[in-house]
This record gives sequence, structure tokens and C-alpha cells, in this order.
Amino acid sequence: AQTVTQSQPEMSVQEAETVTLSCTYDTSESDYYLFWYKQPPSRQMILVIRQEAYKQQNATENRFSVNFQKAAKSFSLKISDSQLGDAAMYFCAYRSASYGGSQGNLIFGKGTKLSVKP
Amino acid sequence: DTGVSQDPRHKITKRGQNVTFRCDPISEHNRLYWYRQTLGQGPEFLTYFQNEAQLEKSRLLSDRFSAERPKGSFSTLEIQRTEQGDSAMYLCASSINTGGTDTQYFGPGTRLTVL
Repeated sequence: AQTVTQSQPEMSVQEAETVTLSCTYDTSESDYYLFWYKQPPSRQMILVIRQEAYKQQNATENRFSVNFQKAAKSFSLKISDSQLGDAAMYFCAYRSASYGGSQGNLIFGKGTKLSVKP
Repeated sequence: DTGVSQDPRHKITKRGQNVTFRCDPISEHNRLYWYRQTLGQGPEFLTYFQNEAQLEKSRLLSDRFSAERPKGSFSTLEIQRTEQGDSAMYLCASSINTGGTDTQYFGPGTRLTVL
């Protein structure tokens, strides 16, 4: 079974600085997708960034970028020029893309709570 | 595009009562998912539908839980004989299947408290 591990329960960053959130996963599949979701306090979960495992190029979305290391099964999220609105829980998630695999569900880590200091 | 909506947003019930939650997906999305999130944890998958067909169910979905999506649009999740351990946030998500790269969009959730 696939698992997702986020080893940092809490992180803090100064406004305008850069922070990196860690995520590792375990799978025997070769084809899958990885996601970072953001869940602000009392608000719904929104997608931050997505990475297809077959793509070597790291995904970027404005101030958000990932460092995808397939061999190491690592998928970290870098937030540049941090803003107060970035404060939230961040969840790393895995989804199978293999035929016969569980293609429906996302498997989430426990999350990292990010605080942004003004 | 009004996003995924869920109703009610909060539900307080007594142990042993039945509760039903509703999820309305984004209108053109053919897939609908249910997750459960407890405090300090990431969401855990319960079940998902493609159109009206329920394609996968988690072992977490005991026989007290039932989900339906009768016309391939909105979905309901019913919990019978609620227990205190059912207290959690129930999240709904939807996506459109475009050959394997679909992204799930989440609703605001229904927070269930079982007294």
C-alpha cells in the first residue's frame, strides 16, 4: 500500500522569505501523480501544484515550485516570497495512475502547519 | 462554476441517530469523492463515483455508511446509528476524468459532532 509522510508538523517563515516543506512517499508503482493542497483555517482545501511522475521537469506555479526526486521518492514544496495569506495547513497527496491500481482516491500525508510572521 | 458545495456545514447529533449529508459537485464533473478528516490528520478516502456508479469503497466505509449518486449529479452520504468515533469533517470533492490527469476540487466540508 502507498503511504505519504510529512515529517514537519509545523514550520514558520518570515514574510518575503522562502520556505521548503518536505514530503516523502512509498510506492511500488511507476506511474502516479503527486499533489500539494493548501487548507487555510476553517476554509476549504485548494490545489497548489501537481506533478506527473513521468515528467522529469519540476512543476511550478507562480511562487510555488516543487523538487521532485523520483528515485528518492521525495516531493518537496518551495514557497518563495512568502505572504501572510500563505499561512495554512499544507498536505502532500499521492494518486495512482496505474491500470488496476486505485485510481480514484488521493492518499494524504498528515500535513504541515505553516505560519508566516510579519 | 460555483465550486463544490456541501450541506449542512455543521451537524450536531446524538449517538445512535442517523445523519445524511449532501454534496453538489462542479456541474460538468463526472467523478465525485467522499473523504473523512479528523483533527490533526489528512483526509482519508471513503468512496468515489464515476457518474452514478460507485467504483471504489474504502475499508473505512463500514456497513453503517452508505453513499449514493442516483442521477450522476449530487451525492448523499448517510451514517446510520452514529457513534462518537464518527465525529469528523466529511469532505466531498469532484473532478472531470480526462484520461487520468483529473484534479480533485474540494468542497468546504460538513463538520459532524456526535454527542
